[in-house]
Amino acid sequence: NAGVTQTPKFRILKIGQSMTLQCTQDMNHNYMYWYRQDPGMGLKLIYYSVGAGITDKGEVPNGYNVSRSTTEDFPLRLELAAPSQTSVYFCASYTAGYSEKLFFGSGTQLSVL
Amino acid sequence: DAKTTQPTSMDCAEGRAANLPCNHSTISGNEYVYWYRQIHSQGPQYIIHGLKNNETNEMASLIITEDRKSSTLILPHATLRDTAVYYCIVRALSGTYKYIFGTGTRLKVLA
Repeated sequence: NAGVTQTPKFRILKIGQSMTLQCTQDMNHNYMYWYRQDPGMGLKLIYYSVGAGITDKGEVPNGYNVSRSTTEDFPLRLELAAPSQTSVYFCASYTAGYSEKLFFGSGTQLSVL
Repeated sequence: DAKTTQPTSMDCAEGRAANLPCNHSTISGNEYVYWYRQIHSQGPQYIIHGLKNNETNEMASLIITEDRKSSTLILPHATLRDTAVYYCIVRALSGTYKYIFGTGTRLKVLA
């Protein structure tokens, strides 16, 4: 199993550009999450999804969009990138049941200049 | 979900037990205590979770007070590789979709 895979690992954007961060998991997990982590800070929840076709806002959703067309994929879209979106982005997933422990991807480091 | 309070940072000597506290005084009866850790800039890693009984696995032990208002994560023999940020999270199973992380405790294991 690959687990949770995020691409790209690094990206530099210019202000106003847009991009999509990819996240895919091969564990058949229903629940998927996007977090951002600013330097020296904790993780902030951006969006989450409880299944294909169902998404909801987290703590810091402004400036982002998500979609969930399949169980495996949960892309995060940045429109009109701003310097405040410079951060490390983590995708995570879990399945409901005994432990509901989150599995994380290795992250995408994004710089907006 | 209940709010948690953790110390910002702690040091521990290599080979000694690391005891990381977490306060969760507003915890509800159906909420579990979870611990994760994040080594350097990697994605966080699950360590352990529990409801009210003490739990132990190959990574750590979790001690939850009888009133469930606080807990302690114990790394019995800390190594340099345990240097990380440790997050305490309180959440209910099945029906609580938000998974909120706080700022955690930065543990530094000293040689």
